[in-house]
Amino acid sequence: KAGVTQTPRYLIKTRGQQVTLSCSPISGHRSVSWYQQTPGQGLQFLFEYFSETQRNKGNFPGRFSGRQFSNSRSEMNVSTLELGDSALYLCASSLGQGAATEAFFGQGTRLTVV
Amino acid sequence: AQSVTQLGSHVSVSEGALVLLRCNYSSSVPPYLFWYVQYPNQGLQLLLKYTTGATLVKGINGFEAEFKKSETSFHLTKPSAHMSDAAEYFCAVSISGSARQLTFGSGTQLTVLP
Repeated sequence: KAGVTQTPRYLIKTRGQQVTLSCSPISGHRSVSWYQQTPGQGLQFLFEYFSETQRNKGNFPGRFSGRQFSNSRSEMNVSTLELGDSALYLCASSLGQGAATEAFFGQGTRLTVV
Repeated sequence: AQSVTQLGSHVSVSEGALVLLRCNYSSSVPPYLFWYVQYPNQGLQLLLKYTTGATLVKGINGFEAEFKKSETSFHLTKPSAHMSDAAEYFCAVSISGSARQLTFGSGTQLTVLP
């Protein structure tokens, strides 16, 4: 059974540009969550999607957005990139939406903003 | 709101020694608790979780954790450290009834000395 796949693994972007990251969840999983990991702030929740609907959103500016497609694949978009957006972005998929269900993480996309 | 505190950002143990990584949580409602491990340039891998029932939880790779409500703790232990255990460990909490959102501690980097 394939795990969570995130593409690309590495990205270098220039300040002011926008970027789109992709996440393919484990087959059959309908919940996809996104997290940002930085040395200073640690792991922070961005948002969660279930059945193409955003169910929960963390405390991030509107430049961070996402969506989920009918096949449960998800994308997140960051517009007007800032240097502080440099981070490892992790996607997690879960079978259900409940708080007790396990989240399986991808290997992440390392975004560097220069 | 829930929070997680991991005491000790760096822990060093000798190979074969006991591993003890500390996690305390704060939550106004019954929490679900998780321990994840992260190897360099990788995503997060679930070690174990506590949802309900038995307070001593066994996980993968010989790790276990005990949920102590009176102490609001969920410390991770392993009787005998192995070199391959060197990694960063994260404690996380989610709240029953909420959507799929994990709140993470700041992490503990475990070093295993030969």
